[in-house]
Amino acid sequence: NAGVTQTPKFQVLKTGQSMTLQCAQDMNHNSMYWYRQDPGMGLRLIYYSASEGTTDKGEVPNGYNVSRLNKREFSLRLESAAPSQTSVYFCASRLDRGNGYTFGSGTRLTVV
Amino acid sequence: GNSVTQMEGPVTLSEEAFLTINCTYTATGYPSLFWYVQYPGEGLQLLLKATKADDKGSNKGFEATYRKETTSFHLEKGSVQVSDSAVYFCALNSGGSNYKLTFGKGTLLTVNP
Repeated sequence: NAGVTQTPKFQVLKTGQSMTLQCAQDMNHNSMYWYRQDPGMGLRLIYYSASEGTTDKGEVPNGYNVSRLNKREFSLRLESAAPSQTSVYFCASRLDRGNGYTFGSGTRLTVV
Repeated sequence: GNSVTQMEGPVTLSEEAFLTINCTYTATGYPSLFWYVQYPGEGLQLLLKATKADDKGSNKGFEATYRKETTSFHLEKGSVQVSDSAVYFCALNSGGSNYKLTFGKGTLLTVNP
């Protein structure tokens, strides 16, 4: 039972480069989320997908795009990375609103 | 809108001490409340939850009671261990944000032997 799987675990990018963070869950959850975690800022929601086929902006969506490829997969794309996007990124999923999230183990991204 | 306020850390305790981490919230409707724990280098894990007033969530010796009259959900443990050292997050979902959890900023707990 893998839960939520994120790839890669670590990444270093140069300013202006693009990349896609991958997330997949095997729990048949309906909702999926992308958060970033920065020191002193807690968790901030970037984008979420309440159900397959829908996506919505969170608190800090600028500079990011997402794709809910199917019920299992929810990817986060940085089109032109900036040093301000250096962070730890977490993907999460949830069956429905009465339940908590299941988190992946995170992707540590550094933009130089 | 919804918000969660946690006591500022860091909190440093000796092993076997009593732990309280305060959490208060503002929310529309009747929120569900959660505590998450993040161990160093890992993602967040659900520790416990409560879905209605006066419910008590419990897990691994931790407890929290949903107090609607004081809009609080304080985390307690009677005797902490070194292995409890982690960051603890209080969270809620309610009302128009049913699809999203609102998190507090987290409280770092360090337990010394």
